[in-house]
Amino acid sequence: DIQMTQSPSSLSASVGDRVTITCRASQSISNYLNWYQQKPGKAPNLLIYSASSLQSGVPSRFSGSGSGTDFTLTISSLQPEDFATYYCQQSHSTPLTFGGGTKVEMK
Amino acid sequence: EVQLVESGGGLVRPGGSLRLSCAASGFTFSDYWMTWVRQAPGKGLEWVANIKKDGSEKYYVDSVKGRFTTSRDNAKNSLYLQMNNLRAGDTAMYYCARGRGGSWSDFDYWGQGTLVTVSS
Repeated sequence: DIQMTQSPSSLSASVGDRVTITCRASQSISNYLNWYQQKPGKAPNLLIYSASSLQSGVPSRFSGSGSGTDFTLTISSLQPEDFATYYCQQSHSTPLTFGGGTKVEMK
Repeated sequence: EVQLVESGGGLVRPGGSLRLSCAASGFTFSDYWMTWVRQAPGKGLEWVANIKKDGSEKYYVDSVKGRFTTSRDNAKNSLYLQMNNLRAGDTAMYYCARGRGGSWSDFDYWGQGTLVTVSS
């Protein structure tokens, strides 16, 4: 199974900050990497697919990069509605696996 | 508007069974892979199973193989998860989700979830 490791597990930031979350795969997954946002009590929401493609309707302040084993989600200017938990997910092979999540909290 | 509505969750004793349903609307159900993802209370996301557009291929996480079966009825726009021999570790919110475009492995619409609690 491909293990996905996210860091940090949590971070504190302020509105307007640039936020970066990293995700590392235990083996190369090319660009088969997706990012989701989840708010408390809600279902996840797809932000980025194929490592760097912005899902329709997602604000352009979200961006993704990377390939192989190392990936990054960047929020260019954190907005109040962005405080949430973010998950990476590999779509290279079954079992599909998620990272442990990164909780973005208000400083 | 795309909608996915899960139902069928509840409290069940260890060893018991439940059948979850996911009613889809607002899109051509038979054109999409569908998946089940679960989330234990306070924990992260875990992929459970997915099923091809016509139901001809199904994949499962090892921890549920032999106990869970996913199926679909394209005429009824419905997805199902039959869960047998339930264990305490199966306690979670269960979400159904749609594969994005023709994708089998990333998910653009999700239901609100249905809670399964396995406890004596």
